[in-house]
Amino acid sequence: SFKLTQPPSVSVSPGQTASITCSTDRLDDRYASWYQQRPGQSPLLVIYQDSKRPSGIPERFSGSNSGNTATLTITGTQTMDEADYYCQAWDTTFWVFGGGTKLTVL
Amino acid sequence: EVQLVESGGGLVQPGGSLRLSCAASGFTFSSYWMSWVRQAPGKGLEWVANIKQNGGQKYYVDSVKGRFTISRDNAKNSLYLQMDSLRVEDTAVYFCARESLSTSCYDYWGQGALVTVSS
Repeated sequence: SFKLTQPPSVSVSPGQTASITCSTDRLDDRYASWYQQRPGQSPLLVIYQDSKRPSGIPERFSGSNSGNTATLTITGTQTMDEADYYCQAWDTTFWVFGGGTKLTVL
Repeated sequence: EVQLVESGGGLVQPGGSLRLSCAASGFTFSSYWMSWVRQAPGKGLEWVANIKQNGGQKYYVDSVKGRFTISRDNAKNSLYLQMDSLRVEDTAVYFCARESLSTSCYDYWGQGALVTVSS
């Protein structure tokens, strides 16, 4: 199996760009997805297949995957984006989640 | 509208059993792999198990193998998780989630069911 490593926390000022990384070996062999989870809510898919946005997700959310690191970028971060973010990837017969990153907007 | 509604959570003693259900609606349930994902209090997400469209393939995280059983009833549009020999460390909110066709992600999640294992 493999492990996905995320920073525990990231802070950003409103209107600035937030970047959250997700790393492991050979991540570019797999698709990465990203989920947003606000307190008391279920996770919400914000990026899939490394860089695609589901319908209804704002354009300020974008993703990339290169080498051994996937990155979620939020451009023009808003206070409503404050949440936990999890990366995820598939490994043959099981799913793996990163440990999560708490994004603070202040 | 796609909906996933979990039920069956509650308080159980260590060593006990519990069965979670997930009622699906708004899509052709029999066409999708389905998963259970859990989240311990204050912790991150952990995949628990998943099951193929026809129930013919099932996979589990190592920590629940031999204790948990995932199943489905496509006629009832329902997903289940039978949890036996429960441990304190199984305490978590359990989410049912739909695996998106061909895009390697979960596109819909239920609201979660809380399972508390405590004496």
